[in-house]
Amino acid sequence: QSALTQPPSASGSPGQSVTISCTGTSGDVGDFNEVSWYQHHPGKAPKLMIYQVNKRPSGVPDRFSGSKSGNTASLAVSGLQAEDEADYYCSSYRGNNKWVFGTGTKVSVL
Amino acid sequence: QVQLVESGGGVVQPGRSLRLSCAASGFIFRNSGMHWVRQAPGKGLEWVAMIWHDASNEDYADSVKGRFTVSRDYSKNMVFLQMNRLGAEDTAVYYCAKQTTGHSLDAWGQGTMVSVSS
Repeated sequence: QSALTQPPSASGSPGQSVTISCTGTSGDVGDFNEVSWYQHHPGKAPKLMIYQVNKRPSGVPDRFSGSKSGNTASLAVSGLQAEDEADYYCSSYRGNNKWVFGTGTKVSVL
Repeated sequence: QVQLVESGGGVVQPGRSLRLSCAASGFIFRNSGMHWVRQAPGKGLEWVAMIWHDASNEDYADSVKGRFTVSRDYSKNMVFLQMNRLGAEDTAVYYCAKQTTGHSLDAWGQGTMVSVSS
C-alpha cells in the first residue's frame, strides 16, 4: 500500500499562488473521483479542505481549489496568507474499504 | 458542533497491547463510518483502519491487519482501536476521524500519542 507521491515542500510569498501535486496510480487517484486534501498545522487536528477532487466544505475559502488529470491530483492555493503555512496531505479512496494518504507537502509562506 | 476526543495513549513495551478510545458527539453517530489515522514522529499521515456506520464491515491497512481491531459502541457513541503485538513501528499520534457520506474525513480529533519502547 504505497503512499501517494507529493513534493516535500512548496513556497510562495504572500499574495502569490502555489500548486501541490499528488501522484497515485490507476488503482486509486486514477480510478476514483474521491481525492481529498487536508491541511495540518502541527499539534492540531487535520482539516478537510477539498473533497471529491474539487469540492470545498463550507467555510473553506475559495482560494483553495482542486483538480485531477489521470493519476495526478492537484491542490492550488491562490492569494497566499500567513495562516496557509502548514502541511498538506492528499488522500484517495482505493476501493475495497481502503484509503491511502500522500507523503505530505510543507507549504511555507515566505 | 462535531467533537471527537481520543484517549488511551501512553508508553507500552514491545509485544504488549493497548486500547484507544474515541468519544464522539455533535452528529448522528450511527450514520457515519469512523476511521483511525496515525502519524509517526517526523512522518506523514497513514490510514490505519475503518468501521462502517452499521459495524457490518471493517478494514485495515496491511501494516496492522491481524494485530489491530476496530469496534464501536452505539450506546456510548464511542469508537475503539484494540492494538495487539505492538512494535516500535506503531509509535505515532493516533487520530480518530469521521467519514462523510462520500469517502472523505470531515472531522478529526486532536490525537493521542502511543509510544512503544522498552
